[in-house]
Amino acid sequence: DAEITQSPRHKITETGRQVTLACHQTWNHNNMFWYRQDLGHGLRLIHYSYGVHDTNKGEVSDGYSVSRSNTEDLPLTLESAASSQTSVYFCASSEQGTYGYTFGSGTRLTVV
Amino acid sequence: SQQGEEDPQALSIQEGENATMNCSYKTSINNLQWYRQNSGRGLVHLILIRSNEREKHSGRLRVTLDTSKKSSSLLITASRAADTASYFCAGGGGSQGNLIFGKGTKLSVKP
Repeated sequence: DAEITQSPRHKITETGRQVTLACHQTWNHNNMFWYRQDLGHGLRLIHYSYGVHDTNKGEVSDGYSVSRSNTEDLPLTLESAASSQTSVYFCASSEQGTYGYTFGSGTRLTVV
Repeated sequence: SQQGEEDPQALSIQEGENATMNCSYKTSINNLQWYRQNSGRGLVHLILIRSNEREKHSGRLRVTLDTSKKSSSLLITASRAADTASYFCAGGGGSQGNLIFGKGTKLSVKP
């Protein structure tokens, strides 16, 4: 069965370190998205991609980067982790535009 | 910025009762979607209503959309304890743009 998987599920890192969160989907979806979820803020869009080699900034992109070298993967990199980036991160994909996203199970990141 | 704002923020009901959640959004949309999130899990797509539709049903779910008021409602009939979750609305631009989510309504259904 097709799926979207995120790894790791939990990570603790130190301030200033570079961290990469993985997202892998086997739906063959062109569109992939990264959101962060924080209490009181709901889900906020970080970066998104409409296809290979395409990346775009979302609402809260500062301090984050993504790259899309194939259809299946959209890794999210925190260049220099900050305590404000402690959050739960969700990856999602969709076949077409904004019609029905499929979400991963999330990565809980703690920056100490 | 949040596209959708759900109301109420929290709702507690007894099993068997109906649950109604409301959503207001700010800009023009092509579709409005509702998602459910169980504690510690990812979001699951429930239902999508297009901007030219006024009402849509799926099982125990009923969604309405009023584009003149920029609002939507989600009704869950005959609720069950398993419906306990957070519910999010999200507005979409269709083939372009991205889904923008509200902050969610936390529903608690007591047995």
